[in-house]
Amino acid sequence: DGGITQSPKYLFRKEGQNVTLSCEQNLNHDAMYWYRQDPGQGLRLIYSQIVNDFQKGDIAEGYSVSREKKESFPLTVTSAQKNPTAFYLCASSMYLGIEAFFGQGTRLTVV
Amino acid sequence: GENVEQHPSTLSVQEGDSAVIKCTYSDSASNYFPWYKQELGKRPQLIIDIRSNVGEKKDQRIAVTLNKTAKHFSLHITETQPEDSAVYFCAASIRDSNYQLIWGAGTKLIIKP
Repeated sequence: DGGITQSPKYLFRKEGQNVTLSCEQNLNHDAMYWYRQDPGQGLRLIYSQIVNDFQKGDIAEGYSVSREKKESFPLTVTSAQKNPTAFYLCASSMYLGIEAFFGQGTRLTVV
Repeated sequence: GENVEQHPSTLSVQEGDSAVIKCTYSDSASNYFPWYKQELGKRPQLIIDIRSNVGEKKDQRIAVTLNKTAKHFSLHITETQPEDSAVYFCAASIRDSNYQLIWGAGTKLIIKP
């Protein structure tokens, strides 16, 4: 069963703690993305990665990513991110500029 | 920087009527324009897309039109049904970002029974 999986679905953390969101895909896609979605807003790119190229989106401050395996693209939300409570979506595509497939999202709440 | 503007932010139509959502983009080199549907609490899913060498594409009740000269593209949904209620996002590929997608802010479509 091919697809892209995010975990967990809901995540609660205390302010000041780092937290890592998981994203795995078995579609053999080269490109992977992390987006942040706030109520009433569109999708804002945090990071994208294809081959050896990491690209920061406009809101990358306070976030970090890694791509040690093609299938995995975890996102770490650090304490430097001032307003981390949001819905986070991971996506992948075969290459840039074509259809992207999304995970089911992780809702992060920082208290 | 490059951007995509989407209008309206909310659209309420009577069941059975048509709905039209419009997006404008700034990068004349954009060559890929997808539309995604996101139901409440779920992941966005592609419903239709179009490339810059095509002016119109249809899939049953859904169509997308592209005007490259005016740099806008539109989603048309005919004979709307309650299950069409969702948030719809447009996107456009941006040359300066290696053709990554820039997203519109979304349109909440409400189908009134």
